[in-house]
Amino acid sequence: NAGVTQTPKFQVLKTGQSMTLQCAQDMNHNSMYWYRQDPGMGLRLIYYSASEGTTDKGEVPNGYNVSRLNKREFSLRLESAAPSQTSVYFCASSEQIRHRSYEQYFGPGTRLTVT
Amino acid sequence: KNQVEQSPQSLIILEGKNCTLQCNYTVSPFSNLRWYKQDTGRGPVSLTIMTFSENTKSNGRYTATLDADTKQSSLHITASQLSDSASYICVVRRADKLIFGTGTRLQVFP
Repeated sequence: NAGVTQTPKFQVLKTGQSMTLQCAQDMNHNSMYWYRQDPGMGLRLIYYSASEGTTDKGEVPNGYNVSRLNKREFSLRLESAAPSQTSVYFCASSEQIRHRSYEQYFGPGTRLTVT
Repeated sequence: KNQVEQSPQSLIILEGKNCTLQCNYTVSPFSNLRWYKQDTGRGPVSLTIMTFSENTKSNGRYTATLDADTKQSSLHITASQLSDSASYICVVRRADKLIFGTGTRLQVFP
């Protein structure tokens, strides 16, 4: 099993460009998440999907959109990239968001630079 | 405010030595606390998960402790190895959300 995979690994965008970050998991998990990690800050939740067909905003959703394409895939879209969105983006998945001790499994991350 | 604070920010030790990383949290209500290890350029990987009723939990050379009364946790690494060089992140669950600390960067030198 590959676990959680993310593409691309690296990306450089110009301000105003758009792009979609892809995430897939092969663990049959119900819940999926997008985080960003910035220097000196803990991971912050952008959006999550508790189950197929649902998405909800996290702590820092502005400037992003998501799509839960099916149970396996959860994509993050930047419609008009800004330098403030320069960050490392992590996708994660878990069996069930409401399970008391649910474990989140993280992908390898996408390093995005917006110039 | 729900926060998770870790200390020290960074730590350098020699291979074979022990070390302890600290985590203080003000998250309420508290569901569980977990420690993650994040290698450079990789995603976080879970080491332990502890509920408020658990005081100690081990995973090989890693031992986590939790004092829910004082809202403190520690991660003790025994007989460190070069592969322990990584960031260690303390994470507290509040309801359906995880609140992440900023991590302690550990470097182990031969």
